[in-house]
Amino acid sequence: EPEVTQTPSHQVTQMGQEVILRCVPISNHLYFYWYRQILGQKVEFLVSFYNNEISEKSEIFDDQFSVERPDGSNFTLKIRSTKLEDSAMYFCASTLGAQGSPLHFGNGTRLTVT
Amino acid sequence: AQSVTQLDSQVPVFEEAPVELRCNYSSSVSVYLFWYVQYPNQGLQLLLKYLSGSTLVKGINGFEAEFNKSQTSFHLRKPSVHISDTAEYFCAVNGMGNQGGKLIFGQGTELSVKP
Repeated sequence: EPEVTQTPSHQVTQMGQEVILRCVPISNHLYFYWYRQILGQKVEFLVSFYNNEISEKSEIFDDQFSVERPDGSNFTLKIRSTKLEDSAMYFCASTLGAQGSPLHFGNGTRLTVT
Repeated sequence: AQSVTQLDSQVPVFEEAPVELRCNYSSSVSVYLFWYVQYPNQGLQLLLKYLSGSTLVKGINGFEAEFNKSQTSFHLRKPSVHISDTAEYFCAVNGMGNQGGKLIFGQGTELSVKP
């Protein structure tokens, strides 16, 4: 069964550094998402992406964040200048987009900002 | 806008006992409902979903959930749990008419199955 893959599984970075989290969604899916889960808290929506542009973003997704689908297979999340509070598990997800079609999630990237 | 409340943050239960994980939602539109499971150090895996039709839906690993529109609930049940069911369970909602499948998640319920 096709799956969403994320790399790296764990990323450690210093405060103020830029990080790029990478995802390869399922190949025929059309909608792509990033979610965040701070330790012990709920899974929070960050951004959705469709037809090569952001379709929706949450209040968390400020100017420090950006997303890109550079080559038709990868889907990346960039954090320009990381803060301690960006430490979290970041999940990529994709879906066909038909009404009610479930999201398929990757295993996540654990980002630790020191 | 939608929101989801999972009423129990932790549910300890003995092996082979029944379990119910509670989920209530709020929405101004009709919804699709989902339960996901997260095993340690893994991503979110779909357990089951309610789209329409029968209010009792069956999922993987022997789990089922019942949609109750009047009570805006979607509780997850299993008649007999195994040690391997120990995981975090998330209820999620998607509002009908929303482009794509953006999900709003509840806070999660940690199910701990003891021998």
